[in-house]
This record gives sequence, structure tokens and C-alpha cells, in this order.
Amino acid sequence: GESVGLHLPTLSVQEGDNSIINCAYSNSASDYFIWYKQESGKGPQFIIDIRSNMDKRQGQRVTVLLNKTVKHLSLQIAATQPGDSAVYFCAENQRGYNKLIFGAGTRLAVHP
Amino acid sequence: EPEVTQTPSHQVTQMGQEVILRCVPISNHLYFYWYRQILGQKVEFLVSFYNNEISEKSEIFDDQFSVERPDGSNFTLKIRSTKLEDSAMYFCASSLAGGETQYFGPGTRLLVL
Repeated sequence: GESVGLHLPTLSVQEGDNSIINCAYSNSASDYFIWYKQESGKGPQFIIDIRSNMDKRQGQRVTVLLNKTVKHLSLQIAATQPGDSAVYFCAENQRGYNKLIFGAGTRLAVHP
Repeated sequence: EPEVTQTPSHQVTQMGQEVILRCVPISNHLYFYWYRQILGQKVEFLVSFYNNEISEKSEIFDDQFSVERPDGSNFTLKIRSTKLEDSAMYFCASSLAGGETQYFGPGTRLLVL
């Protein structure tokens, strides 16, 4: 079933440390995955994406890892900065469908 | 960098009233979407729109909802008779093609009293 509620899991890290945010997706037919960052009162902001024919993709300070065997996605942020503090959502898309299915989100809190 | 814009940023309405939320997608994008996010919850898909027709919709998108592209730039979501439970952030998104990256606008916060 879907998890709902006001309390997001929170990851607290020190500034400069690396952060790893995890996501389990539900649909084995999903073949496109995206990480979004959402700051308070704003819309989801695209960070990085990956398609199912890859298991790793790197951007600037961010890396996404995809494990299709266990239906797991992770976002790694290197040298986390206070500006990285936000809620991070993974989203999945199945080929032939337009909708994104969002995960519940993880709050990242970066402490100086 | 081109971005999706939405107006108004906030809307307060009385239960039973009609509201229209407006969006200007990124100019060369062909697919448009509406999502909503109830406070503290995950983002939920409502509808996708391509080539002047709905291509996909969720069970949330019932007869009270409609979408329209009235001209070459705007994309609107209409809620005919608002209910208390329609209170949420409504996000518009657009993508160049189906299955491509969806870029989101800043949202409209709708409060139904």
C-alpha cells in the first residue's frame, strides 16, 4: 500500500559529508527514474535521471545508482552543503505511460 | 533557462466555487501535466495532455476536473465545484516528449474554505 503522513524520514548530515538517500520503487515495469529536490513552498526541481539500461549515472556532485534486481534507487550527494537541505523525491515512469509515480520523500537536513 | 510558470501563487476559495489554475509550460514542450500535493504528502499525478487531448488521467481526476489549452501558451486546470479536500498545492509540469524529463512549475497553493 501507499504510505502517507506528515512525518518524512529525515537524514541529518554535517556540511561537507557525503549523503545517500534511498528509494524503493514498486513497479518492475518502470524504466525511467528521476530524482527531484523540493524546497519549502516550491515545486519539484529536477536533479538527475537514469534509464533502466544503466545502473549508474553521475552529475555535478550527484550520482544515481539503480539496482533493478531489488528495485532500489539511491542518490548520492558529495560534499553536502547547507543549500542541499530540502525534501528529495524519487519518481518512476513506465514506458508507454506519461505519469510519474512519486515516492514518499526524504528530508535532508545539513548542519554546519 | 526556460521554466514553467504558474498563476496565481495562492488561491483561497469557498467550497462549491469554481477555480481555474493557470500554467505556461516551457515553450517547445509538447506534453503537459498537472499534479497535486496535499500538505505533508507525496506528489500525485492528476492528468497528462498532448496534442490537445487528455492522454492519461488518474482516478483523482474525476468529472469535477477539466484541462484546456486555450491558446498557444497557456494550460489550465479547472475545478468546477471545489471541495474541502481539494486544498493542496497544484503543480503544472511539461516535457519535450512522453517519457522525457518533466519540469515542474512553482505551484499554486489552493485553500478551500
